Amino acid sequence: NAGVTQTPKFQVLKTGQSMTLQCAQDMNHNSMYWYRQDPGMGLRLIYYSASEGTTDKGEVPNGYNVSRLNKREFSLRLESAAPSQTSVYFCASSPRTEANYGYTFGSGTRLTVV
Amino acid sequence: GENVEQHPSTLSVQEGDSAVIKCTYSDSASNYFPWYKQELGKRPQLIIDIRSNVGEKKDQRIAVTLNKTAKHFSLHITETQPEDSAVYFCAAIPSSGSRLTFGEGTQLTVNP
Repeated sequence: NAGVTQTPKFQVLKTGQSMTLQCAQDMNHNSMYWYRQDPGMGLRLIYYSASEGTTDKGEVPNGYNVSRLNKREFSLRLESAAPSQTSVYFCASSPRTEANYGYTFGSGTRLTVV
Repeated sequence: GENVEQHPSTLSVQEGDSAVIKCTYSDSASNYFPWYKQELGKRPQLIIDIRSNVGEKKDQRIAVTLNKTAKHFSLHITETQPEDSAVYFCAAIPSSGSRLTFGEGTQLTVNP
């Protein structure tokens, strides 16, 4: 199993450009999440999808949009990138069942906005 | 909503010593408490977790303890090794919750 796959791994954008970060999981997990992690900082939740067909804002949603395309895929879109969005972005998924709430993280996307 | 506080933010120990990281939570309905380890430049990975019906859980050199009355839980690492150097995150979630609430992280450095 691949687990949680994120693409791309690295990206450099110019201010104002748009892009979509892709995330796919092959574990049949119900819930998916997008986090950003700034250097030396913790994990901040951007958006999440508790189940297929639903999405909700996290702590820092401004400047982002998401799409839960199907149970496997959860994408994050930056419509007009800003230097403040330079960060490492992690996607995660969870079965979110009584038996298992644990998260599996993807390897991350390192985004630089210049 | 849930609030998780983690202490200390940095911890430096000598190889072979023990390390303890503590977290407190606010929602008494929280019943699942995982710990994640994040090595430099890598993704966070689950290393151990505990549920509210258990007071302590061990896995080789790591253990987690939970005090439901005081609403705090701790990670204990014994006989630390340089490869234990990483950032450790605690988290909590109630059974009705849809997402984990993470602590701010602890940078553990094990000096050879």
